[in-house]
Amino acid sequence: DGGITQSPKYLFRKEGQNVTLSCEQNLNHDAMYWYRQDPGQGLRLIYYSQIVNDFQKGDIAEGYSVSREKKESFPLTVTSAQKNPTAFYLCASSPWDSLGDTQYFGPGTRLTVL
Amino acid sequence: ILNVEQSPQSLHVQEGDSTNFTCSFPSSNFYALHWYRWETAKSPEALFVMTLNGDEKKKGRISATLNTKEGYSYLYIKGSQPEDSATYLCAPGDGANNLFFGTGTRLTVIP
Repeated sequence: DGGITQSPKYLFRKEGQNVTLSCEQNLNHDAMYWYRQDPGQGLRLIYYSQIVNDFQKGDIAEGYSVSREKKESFPLTVTSAQKNPTAFYLCASSPWDSLGDTQYFGPGTRLTVL
Repeated sequence: ILNVEQSPQSLHVQEGDSTNFTCSFPSSNFYALHWYRWETAKSPEALFVMTLNGDEKKKGRISATLNTKEGYSYLYIKGSQPEDSATYLCAPGDGANNLFFGTGTRLTVIP
């Protein structure tokens, strides 16, 4: 089945550790995105990538890093510099054909910093 | 960043009732308006994408309208069913196809 997978579903980490969240898609989409959700707030864009080996910062990129070495994969690293990393993280992908392209979402990863 | 407001934050309706929600956004720098449905424990699912002023879209009992000049969109659900219970997100998109999400309207349909 075509879709977007994120792993793991739940992730716990100790304060001060870096952690990497996985996002894979087999939809042959050019663009991929990472969002963060906090209680009472809308989804906020962390990073996005429109093409392999290229990515741009979103609204809240501080404390995060990404890579896009393959079209199918867009891992997100939450570094120890991220001051409040506990949140729900969603990955999405979309074609890059025109404005208004639908973004398709994965199931999300809930990260808890202990 | 586009400031997006959705109202109401939450509502409860009886099965069979019709309901509607509002999404407000700045009308400048607007390219497309997306509506998503997000059920608990599932991924957000795209409902509609609208780009033109006056656009109307329909999918079964759910429909949406768009007014780009005044910066709002309405989502309507006719004859609500328990399976319609979800959070409905709206997200205007900018010229780079980045989406700016509202906080959503959480709908509960009571059988």
